[in-house]
Amino acid sequence: SQQGEEDPQALSIQEGENATMNCSYKTSINNLQWYRQNSGRGLVHLILIRSNEREKHSGRLRVTLDTSKKSSSLLITASRAADTASYFCAALGGSYIPTFGRGTSLIVHP
Amino acid sequence: GAVVSQHPSRVICKSGTSVKIECRSLDFQATTMFWYRQFPKQSLMLMATSNEGSKATYEQGVEKDKFLINHASLTLSTLTVTSAHPEDSSFYICSARDSGRNTEAFFGQGTRLTVV
Repeated sequence: SQQGEEDPQALSIQEGENATMNCSYKTSINNLQWYRQNSGRGLVHLILIRSNEREKHSGRLRVTLDTSKKSSSLLITASRAADTASYFCAALGGSYIPTFGRGTSLIVHP
Repeated sequence: GAVVSQHPSRVICKSGTSVKIECRSLDFQATTMFWYRQFPKQSLMLMATSNEGSKATYEQGVEKDKFLINHASLTLSTLTVTSAHPEDSSFYICSARDSGRNTEAFFGQGTRLTVV
């Protein structure tokens, strides 16, 4: 299984600012997925980017993938207090088993 | 979108009893389901991969006899925590992989287990 490692571990910003989280992985992948988890809840799938894609957008989310650096970033633009959550990446290799790092805890202050 | 239903969302049980958690894919077939455990402010730890009609594959360090997994149909997998102890208290989350879209997994809402 493949594991993503996110950084920073914690991020605190003001509403309206942008939030950037990074994810690194170790070996080749088929795709990388970002998930969100509100406190004490299950995971919500945010976006999937395939290994042959470099950038993907979904609403206020922008994900980039750099396979040469084995890294991905998640940008949330114009953040809102409701974006407060933990964000995880899962880099999927041939086994397609999602495995996760510690996540980034994002706090958006109103 | 695809929905995975996990039940119950919260359960409190006494030490020594067993607890069953259900994971259902509601609008797709899931040949493969995953069970995770999450400690407070920690990552999700993969416990086992559940395959319909066959034995589950457990990750290293996870006790098979402690955490019984049954995946009897394409839409249902169950995790039974046997002879539960307080140290088994945790947040358990299931995930189901759409057999038709192998690259994406969908997660249940999780089960908060408290063993007293």
